[in-house]
Amino acid sequence: NAGVTQTPKFRVLKTGQSMTLLCAQDMNHEYMYWYRQDPGMGLRLIHYSVGEGTTAKGEVPDGYNVSRLKKQNFLLGLESAAPSQTSVYFCASSYLRGGGETQYFGPGTRLLVL
Amino acid sequence: AQSVTQLGSHVSVSEGALVLLRCNYSSSVPPYLFWYVQYPNQGLQLLLKYTTGATLVKGINGFEAEFKKSETSFHLTKPSAHMSDAAEYFCAVSEGPFGNEKLTFGTGTRLTIIP
Repeated sequence: NAGVTQTPKFRVLKTGQSMTLLCAQDMNHEYMYWYRQDPGMGLRLIHYSVGEGTTAKGEVPDGYNVSRLKKQNFLLGLESAAPSQTSVYFCASSYLRGGGETQYFGPGTRLLVL
Repeated sequence: AQSVTQLGSHVSVSEGALVLLRCNYSSSVPPYLFWYVQYPNQGLQLLLKYTTGATLVKGINGFEAEFKKSETSFHLTKPSAHMSDAAEYFCAVSEGPFGNEKLTFGTGTRLTIIP
């Protein structure tokens, strides 16, 4: 199993450009998450999904959109990138709800917005 | 609302010395507690977690943590540090099935091992 994979690994954008980050998992997990990691701030939840066709806002959703058209994929979109969105983005997935479930993380996407 | 405080953004220990990384949490309901580790340029992976039952939890790579409700703490320890332990460690909390099930992370502690 590949686990959780993320595409691309690194990207440079200019302010105002758009892009989509792809997350894929092969563990048949119901829950998927997008986080951003910034120095000194830990990980903050952007959006999450509790199943195919569902999405919900997390702690820092502004400027991002998501879609979960297939159970194994969770896409994060930036419609008009801003320098404040320079960050490392992590996708994660978990099998079930219940709070005690382990989340499995992808290797991250490093995004630089100029 | 749930929250996590990790005391010390950077901790340095000598190889072979005790590792102690501190985590205090706030939760309005019984918490689920986690420690994740992040090696350079990688994603996070679970070290250990506490959900219910025994309050002393053993994880991978010789790490363990003890849930102390009275102190609202979940400190991570390892008796003898190894060079391969150098990484960033994150404590996280969720409120379980009766509250906010989403994970809230601390700001992380970077562990450096001195040869």
